[in-house]
Amino acid sequence: QVQLVQSETEVKKSGDSVKVSCKASGYTFTKFGVSWVRQAPGQGLEWIGWISPYNGNTNAAQKLRGRLTMTSDTSTRTAYMELTNLRSDDTAVYYCAREVNRLDFWGQGTLVIVSS
Amino acid sequence: QSALTQPPSASGSPGQSVTISCTGTSNDIGDYRFVSWYQQHTGKAPKLIIFDVNKRPSGIPDRFSGSKSGNTASLTVSGLQADDEADYYCNSYAGANNWVFGGGTKLTVL
Repeated sequence: QVQLVQSETEVKKSGDSVKVSCKASGYTFTKFGVSWVRQAPGQGLEWIGWISPYNGNTNAAQKLRGRLTMTSDTSTRTAYMELTNLRSDDTAVYYCAREVNRLDFWGQGTLVIVSS
Repeated sequence: QSALTQPPSASGSPGQSVTISCTGTSNDIGDYRFVSWYQQHTGKAPKLIIFDVNKRPSGIPDRFSGSKSGNTASLTVSGLQADDEADYYCNSYAGANNWVFGGGTKLTVL
């Protein structure tokens, strides 16, 4: 069965960086994209970026370009999201999701807390 | 990329039907059939319930249906049940590997 398992909660300070992992199983990793979505406390879903594990192509939401880097490791079937220069409004649950023109399987979410 | 527009809340009694709208632009909903809907219960990850405007993943009951007209997509939940109480989000492809979500609608079953 398809599963996406994410890394654990991170607590960071303003200006720090965070790297969240998303380990995939149950499907051919390179045949699907991976999108990253975040949800601030009490707020809605926000799409923040996409990566193709097949060729490494990425696209980040315009507001995060320059701070968001997405990578993948096909040998370990793991996608990564790194966000730099963290601010308090980056506090959110970050989800990875398998993408095939829709987000059909989701990770459990990783809470990133940014304190000043 | 601006968020798609959804009503913040919707409600209905058990057994009734409710429709949630999602308005975008000619650059997203109006231009692509890659419109999907997600159900999110409190504290849980979102769950795909509709994709490609009106298709249901395996295991999603036919009480959930989707449609699109122009720049607006809609989700209809028929035969409301207590467990349908959740937040619902629409999502559309917006070209060049960009995606956009709606702001979410909180569905209350009275």
